[in-house]
Amino acid sequence: QSVLTQPPSVSGTPGQRVTISCTGSSSNIGAGYVVHWYQQLPGRAPKLLIYGNSNRPSGVPDRISGSKSGTSASLAITGLQAEDEADYYCQSYDSSLSGYVFGTGTKVTVL
Amino acid sequence: QVQLQESGPGLVKPSETLSLTCAVSGYSITSDDRYFWGWIRQSPGKGLEWIGIIHHTGTTYYNSPLKSRVTISVDTSQNQFSLRVTSVTAADTAVYYCARASCSGGGTCYLDQWGQGILVTVSS
Repeated sequence: QSVLTQPPSVSGTPGQRVTISCTGSSSNIGAGYVVHWYQQLPGRAPKLLIYGNSNRPSGVPDRISGSKSGTSASLAITGLQAEDEADYYCQSYDSSLSGYVFGTGTKVTVL
Repeated sequence: QVQLQESGPGLVKPSETLSLTCAVSGYSITSDDRYFWGWIRQSPGKGLEWIGIIHHTGTTYYNSPLKSRVTISVDTSQNQFSLRVTSVTAADTAVYYCARASCSGGGTCYLDQWGQGILVTVSS
């Protein structure tokens, strides 16, 4: 069981805004470690979506954004599109485990 | 454009050793000291699991759960790195990904380039 908890699923209609939470603790996000986000399309390798809490790599649209507060982080997708249907994972470092950890993952469904 | 490609047996018998190699093309793994090279796995229908990372100098960082059974090594002359997992069981059946990790200090690493993944099944 991961130390970073995400909702199993989130859904929305095209054009809507959805958010995915990543809840940690004082040994990871709350300790100041940065959070990164990945998108995994069905049958594909994960792709970096957000790094350093809120930075977008080149090519990632600005309707994707990340934030962090306290022991949690969030990924927001505005103007939801069919192509956004995928699994999303947060990732950070945990000092108690002395290692990098992924969140439990969230499946985004576009209705 | 950096590309990573995993290779190795798709089937391994229980108690044997799983060995995979990740060939890096379009980029020299010794070019930039901020990059590490790592392995991640994903059991069927499950989430991602970080296995470990290695620097081109040989420095390695392994995640605890697998630490006693895992070895990651690097071959700079071949521009590739490898993963070995000993004493495998059915629980090690997974898609194994290699990736480039961008790191700017302790606890900051993220995976900015990924291979396509290779399915390894542990079965007799």
